[in-house]
Amino acid sequence: SQTIHQWPATLVQPVGSPLSLECTVEGTSNPNLYWYRQAAGRGLQLLFYSVGIGQISSEVPQNLSASRPQDRQFILSSKKLLLSDSGFYLCAWSVRQSYGYTFGSGTRLTVV
Amino acid sequence: GENVEQHPSTLSVQEGDSAVIKCTYSDSASNYFPWYKQELGKRPQLIIDIRSNVGEKKDQRIAVTLNKTAKHFSLHITETQPEDSAVYFCAFKQSGTYKYIFGTGTRLKVLA
Repeated sequence: SQTIHQWPATLVQPVGSPLSLECTVEGTSNPNLYWYRQAAGRGLQLLFYSVGIGQISSEVPQNLSASRPQDRQFILSSKKLLLSDSGFYLCAWSVRQSYGYTFGSGTRLTVV
Repeated sequence: GENVEQHPSTLSVQEGDSAVIKCTYSDSASNYFPWYKQELGKRPQLIIDIRSNVGEKKDQRIAVTLNKTAKHFSLHITETQPEDSAVYFCAFKQSGTYKYIFGTGTRLKVLA
C-alpha cells in the first residue's frame, strides 16, 4: 500500500535561518507531489507542485523553493526564514490520471 | 485564477441535527469534487468525493450533491455526532491540471 512520510513533525526556527522539510512517498511511482501551507485557522494554500523529477511549478511568490531530486522525494526549502513563514506545512501526493490527494501528517513550523 | 467559495465559515448544530456546507466553484470544466475533514492539529482526510457524471453520492451519514449548471456542490451530514466536530474543506480539480483548489474551510461544532 502507498504511504507518505513527512518530517519533522514540529520545528522552531529563528528568523533568518534556513529550512529544509522532506516528504517521501512509498508504494507508488511517478506520483504528483504537492506542498501546501496552512496558516493558523486558515485554509490550504498551494505552494508548489511537481509532476516529475526536476519539474517544479510555483504557485505563489515567496522566499520558499522546492526540489524533487528523486521520483518519490519532495523537499521544501528556504535560505532565510521570515516570521510570516510560520504555519502548518502539508505534503500531498496523487496518482497520475487519477483523483484525490493523500496528505502527509504535516510539519508545524514556528519562526521566532 | 480559479477559486471556490465556501459557506458558512463556522457552523454550530445540536447533536442529532443535520449540517450543510455549500461551495461554489469557478471552473466550469472541472469534473472532480472532494471533501476533506481536518481534526485539530491533524492532516486533512478525504471523506467523500463526487465526479461530474453524477448528481449525488451518499456514504452512511454523509452525502454530497453537485449542480454543474449552477457550479454548486454541497456536503450534507445527518444525525450529527460530537466526533463530527472538525474543519471541513471542499475542493475541485482544476481542469487541464493536476491541481486541486481548496475552499477556506468550515468549522463545524456539534453541541452535545
